[in-house]
Amino acid sequence: ELKVEQNPLFLSMQEGKNYTIYCNYSTTSDRLYWYRQDPGKSLESLFVLLSNGAVKQEGRLMASLDTKARLSTLHITAAVHDLSATYFCAVDYNNNDMRFGAGTRLTVKP
Amino acid sequence: DAGITQSPRHKVTETGTPVTLRCHQTENHRYMYWYRQDPGHGLRLIHYSYGVKDTDKGEVSDGYSVSRSKTEDFLLTLESATSSQTSVYFCAISEGQHYEQYFGPGTRLTVT
Repeated sequence: ELKVEQNPLFLSMQEGKNYTIYCNYSTTSDRLYWYRQDPGKSLESLFVLLSNGAVKQEGRLMASLDTKARLSTLHITAAVHDLSATYFCAVDYNNNDMRFGAGTRLTVKP
Repeated sequence: DAGITQSPRHKVTETGTPVTLRCHQTENHRYMYWYRQDPGHGLRLIHYSYGVKDTDKGEVSDGYSVSRSKTEDFLLTLESATSSQTSVYFCAISEGQHYEQYFGPGTRLTVT
């Protein structure tokens, strides 16, 4: 059965600093998704990674996928307060079943 | 925002009562999903639908049933609510299998 692990689960960082969130998964999958959730809100799609070596960037966020290592990273560059949110990775499993990680709660402090 | 609405947005109910949550979409997407979100677990799939009257179970389907009689509506029913079903429930839609999913605003359900 597919397990999806994110780390860290909690991340407090200073504005202007860089950091990486990791998403490991236990069985083969070629598709990985990153979502953002603000407190009390719904989930917003950030990235869809469809193949080994895929890299996507949007603003201060960059996501990558290594299917051989079963690892995806979400890199934050020069963090700003507006990036404070919970970030989830999710992996396709058994056709329509998408398994989520537990989420990384990011707080960016001035 | 994708055209997804959920109703009700908040509900408090007593143990043993039936509860139905509704998801409505205006995007004409084929696939619809119900998830529950609990602290420390991310989101977990309850049931999904791949067309009118076509549904299947997800990871945590026990205690839940679903129905889809129209493309735009997907109903989640708790036949006899229990306190362990207190959660935030999200509906999602996608154009097809393996496409990204778009999420509704969520329903906060409390079972007392």
